[in-house]
Amino acid sequence: DAKTTQPPSMDCAEGRAANLPCNHSTISGNEYVYWYRQIHSQGPQYIIHGLKNNETNEMASLIITEDRKSSTLILPHATLRDTAVYYCILNYGGSQGNLIFGKGTKLSVKP
Amino acid sequence: GAVVSQHPSWVICKSGTSVKIECRSLDFQATTMFWYRQFPKQSLMLMATSNEGSKATYEQGVEKDKFLINHASLTLSTLTVTSAHPEDSSFYICSARIVGAGPLHFGNGTRLTVT
Repeated sequence: DAKTTQPPSMDCAEGRAANLPCNHSTISGNEYVYWYRQIHSQGPQYIIHGLKNNETNEMASLIITEDRKSSTLILPHATLRDTAVYYCILNYGGSQGNLIFGKGTKLSVKP
Repeated sequence: GAVVSQHPSWVICKSGTSVKIECRSLDFQATTMFWYRQFPKQSLMLMATSNEGSKATYEQGVEKDKFLINHASLTLSTLTVTSAHPEDSSFYICSARIVGAGPLHFGNGTRLTVT
């Protein structure tokens, strides 16, 4: 079973920030938080990952709480093309083995 | 960035025939590749781990004689669905990572329909 909990669905207005939460209360000290997304009928796309510090790249920002029991993926200016299922996944170390996918959050960006 | 290519992107075959799906790492070498399966409205489920130069490791409930995996080089893994049946119809996705570092990268999947 996946060790993360995400809301099944969320809506966001185009141009606004999309904030996707993830709970991982049983995270262990050397587990990283990874985010992927899957646009319909495509393979998952890597977005970002982090251990305990907040991270930002060209796609998104990742905010991890100090106790590391939850995190938030932020898409700063959502577009219609960001409509996808977003997966929050825990994985050991910086070099991944296989990933265990939960059900993710279906984000719908609306005009 | 790292690119994983799958071929074909979709295939339709008759029940009882075999289908081969290729997974290539285009700009990096991958000693390990992973094969996933995704049924409609469900999440990805890991089927097997493909190791270059050795036998694949299959997840519980996945028949190794039905889903043949060959990882003959550092850039190519193949999944052959043997004696396909309609219940094997699914979305098959492979993934790979650069040796020793970095996130997993996924192919764009292969939609298999068995009639």
